[in-house]
Amino acid sequence: GAGVSQSPSNKVTEKGKDVELRCDPISGHTALYWYRQSLGQGLEFLIYFQGNSAPDKSGLPSDRFSAERTGGSVSTLTIQRTQQEDSAVYLCASSYSGSSYNEQFFGPGTRLTVL
Amino acid sequence: AQSVAQPEDQVNVAEGNPLTVKCTYSVSGNPYLFWYVQYPNRGLQFLLKYITGDNLVKGSYGFEAEFNKSQTSFHLKKPSALVSDSALYFCAANYLFKGGSQGNLIFGKGTKLSVKP
Repeated sequence: GAGVSQSPSNKVTEKGKDVELRCDPISGHTALYWYRQSLGQGLEFLIYFQGNSAPDKSGLPSDRFSAERTGGSVSTLTIQRTQQEDSAVYLCASSYSGSSYNEQFFGPGTRLTVL
Repeated sequence: AQSVAQPEDQVNVAEGNPLTVKCTYSVSGNPYLFWYVQYPNRGLQFLLKYITGDNLVKGSYGFEAEFNKSQTSFHLKKPSALVSDSALYFCAANYLFKGGSQGNLIFGKGTKLSVKP
């Protein structure tokens, strides 16, 4: 079946511009996560959506980062006024429910380069 | 603080030899432990997980992992390595938060496995 999809696969932007990254989770998965993968920091949790509950934003590094999930499905991660340190691979994952024992299924990622 | 450690940045093995990729964890209460593999320019693929029960867990592609509570470890193993196993391996942990469940994974830094013919 279809896995988690993300778009674009690559994004190059200039410092100070806003970017939007999209994630389409596996159908029927109620939980959706955003992570960031960078060379120096490994894999960092950013934000977590579970059903209709308020998202857990505890991992967002600054107020330039925001995310929304419309209709309990597609999610968009927005980075405003991008900085060079935002360059990383942004990974989206979904799971059947938000339970801690459920494995998460990851998309291929969006590689963001801020010039 | 909750954490996962992978003490080796890189592991080199010869094809056909057994491999071990090490992982230790520090989380509250009973941990849920996972291994993921990442091939170049790809997302993470789930390999196996430990929730409860038998300490030896079997997963995809012939991999297995052993949960050791006293040593707080969850090492990944394979009896006979293949060149195609060469990839980046991540150990991750989650746990049951008080008052409910919480879903974000805590990842180790990753271990690069290189299998030579």
